[in-house]
Amino acid sequence: ELKVEQNPLFLSMQEGKNYTIYCNYSTTSDRLYWYRQDPGKSLESLFVLLSNGAVKQEGRLMASLDTKARLSTLHITAAVHDLSATYFCAVDQKSSGDKLTFGTGTRLAVRP
Amino acid sequence: SQTIHQWPATLVQPVGSPLSLECTVEGTSNPNLYWYRQAAGRGLQLLFYSVGIGQISSEVPQNLSASRPQDRQFILSSKKLLLSDSGFYLCAWGRGDGTTQPQHFGDGTRLSIL
Repeated sequence: ELKVEQNPLFLSMQEGKNYTIYCNYSTTSDRLYWYRQDPGKSLESLFVLLSNGAVKQEGRLMASLDTKARLSTLHITAAVHDLSATYFCAVDQKSSGDKLTFGTGTRLAVRP
Repeated sequence: SQTIHQWPATLVQPVGSPLSLECTVEGTSNPNLYWYRQAAGRGLQLLFYSVGIGQISSEVPQNLSASRPQDRQFILSSKKLLLSDSGFYLCAWGRGDGTTQPQHFGDGTRLSIL
């Protein structure tokens, strides 16, 4: 059974600081996704990572994938308040009909 | 472009009442469709997915059922709601053709059971 774990579960950051969210998964996967969820809202896709060593960047967020370690990271550079949200990683396998297994989520709060 | 519609946005129902949540997708054909539930402060749990009309796979035994009467319509139902059915329900679609595109989510339905 595919399991996806994120840490930390909650992260309080000061504006301007850097930090990294970690996503570990238990079995070989075909694709890894990062989503953002604002309070009370739906999920917004941030990144799709397809292969070992893949790196994607958008603004202050950068995601990377190490398939050998079964690890993805979401790095936040010089955090700003607008990045406050819950971030989820999710993993799928073609053999499972493209179903996503989500991590527990990391709630990020950026304070002044 | 593709869009996904989900309604209602919020719903308050008494225990034992029936439920019907609807989701429709526009701008694509033969999508994979998914229903997820998110308990307060938790992650997403996949409830049902469908790869075509009338084809439903259930992921978790529960008090709910799903149907796909048309290619781009996905319905979540219950005959008698339980308190434990409260949560945030999200519908999503994906291309299902091995593409690398992510699943896209509707705005969700917040269901409260009294």
